[in-house]
Amino acid sequence: DAGVTQSPTHLIKTRGQQVTLRCSPKSGHDTVSWYQQALGQGPQFIFQYYEEEERQRGNFPDRFSGHQFPNYSSELNVNALLLGDSALYLCASSFTGTNQPQHFGDGTRLSIL
Amino acid sequence: SQQGEEDPQALSIQEGENATMNCSYKTSINNLQWYRQNSGRGLVHLILIRSNEREKHSGRLRVTLDTSKKSSSLLITASRAADTASYFCATGPPGGGSQGNLIFGKGTKLSVKP
Repeated sequence: DAGVTQSPTHLIKTRGQQVTLRCSPKSGHDTVSWYQQALGQGPQFIFQYYEEEERQRGNFPDRFSGHQFPNYSSELNVNALLLGDSALYLCASSFTGTNQPQHFGDGTRLSIL
Repeated sequence: SQQGEEDPQALSIQEGENATMNCSYKTSINNLQWYRQNSGRGLVHLILIRSNEREKHSGRLRVTLDTSKKSSSLLITASRAADTASYFCATGPPGGGSQGNLIFGKGTKLSVKP
């Protein structure tokens, strides 16, 4: 039973570029959430997708956008990259509903030069 | 913004000792969860305690929740070198519903020396 998988594992971009990160949820899970984790900090919630729609959003600018596909996989897109976007981007999946633990992938390490 | 705050920020113990980490939060919650993160890896879910529960056990882990004090503690008994990791508490939103908006603290960095 595959867990949450993310690609790529590492990515280097320059300021102003655009990036797409991908996530495949754990088998059976229908909800995908994305988090940004800066070095030495806890993860910060970006947004959550369910039934191909953004259901909740954290305090992130519109440069951050996402998508969920019919097979529940998801993408995170970031436009006009800034140096401050350098972080570990984590995808988490879960069943929808209350009191459901989230299962995390190993993340994509994004470095902006 | 951070809701949970773990204490201490760092903890160093010998193998076989117990490790206790604390978490405080600010607003009402539906549940509180603890996660472990090994260096450079994703987070691993350890335990979830609901707002109407006071204590929960899972193997060598014991979690308590005091909603009147808005605090929780994670106890790892008989620690092992493999327990070396960062530990985060995360709060789920009040009123049930979506679990997406987990709010994490900054974590406690635990080092267990053999």
